[in-house]
Amino acid sequence: DIQMTQSPSTLSASVGDSVTITCRASQSIGTSLAWYQQKPGKAPELLIYQVSTLQIGVPSRFIGRGSGTEFTLTISNLQPVDFTSYYCQQYNRFPPTFGQGTKVEVK
Amino acid sequence: QVQLVESGGGVVQPGGSLRLSCAASGFTFSMYGMHWVRQAPGKGLEWVALIWSDGTEKFYGDSVKGRFTISRDNSKNTVYLQMNSLRDDDTAVYYCAKNQENYYDLSSSDYWGRGTLVTVSS
Repeated sequence: DIQMTQSPSTLSASVGDSVTITCRASQSIGTSLAWYQQKPGKAPELLIYQVSTLQIGVPSRFIGRGSGTEFTLTISNLQPVDFTSYYCQQYNRFPPTFGQGTKVEVK
Repeated sequence: QVQLVESGGGVVQPGGSLRLSCAASGFTFSMYGMHWVRQAPGKGLEWVALIWSDGTEKFYGDSVKGRFTISRDNSKNTVYLQMNSLRDDDTAVYYCAKNQENYYDLSSSDYWGRGTLVTVSS
């Protein structure tokens, strides 16, 4: 199975900051990488797919980059609604696997 | 608009069985693969299973292989997860999710249900 290592597990920031979450794959996954946002008690929501394509309705302050084995999610100008958890997922091969998650909390 | 509504969760004893359902609407159900993904309390997301649009192929995570069965009824726009030989570590919220690409392409999940809680406990 492809292992997805996400870091950091927790990130402290303030409204208006820019933050970056990293996801590393144990082998190359090309561009088959998605990011999800999950608010407490809610289902995950797709933010970005194919590394950098924003899902409809997702603000442009979310930016995905990378290829191969290293990927990043940058959130610029953090808004209060952004303080929640984020997961990466590879779907290059079965089984699709998730990173362990990053919680963005208020500093 | 796309809606996925899970049902069938509850409390079950270790070794027991449960069948989850996910009713879909707002898209052409028969064109898309469907996933089940679970999340244990306070933990991350774990992919469980996928069934292709026409039900011809099914894929499972190692932790559920041989115990869980995914199926679908395209006439009812519903996907199922039959869970047998349940263990304590199967306790989780179970989400169904739509595969973003149609037919036979593994992809991200663009729509998710609200989930149904399965608790395995004696």
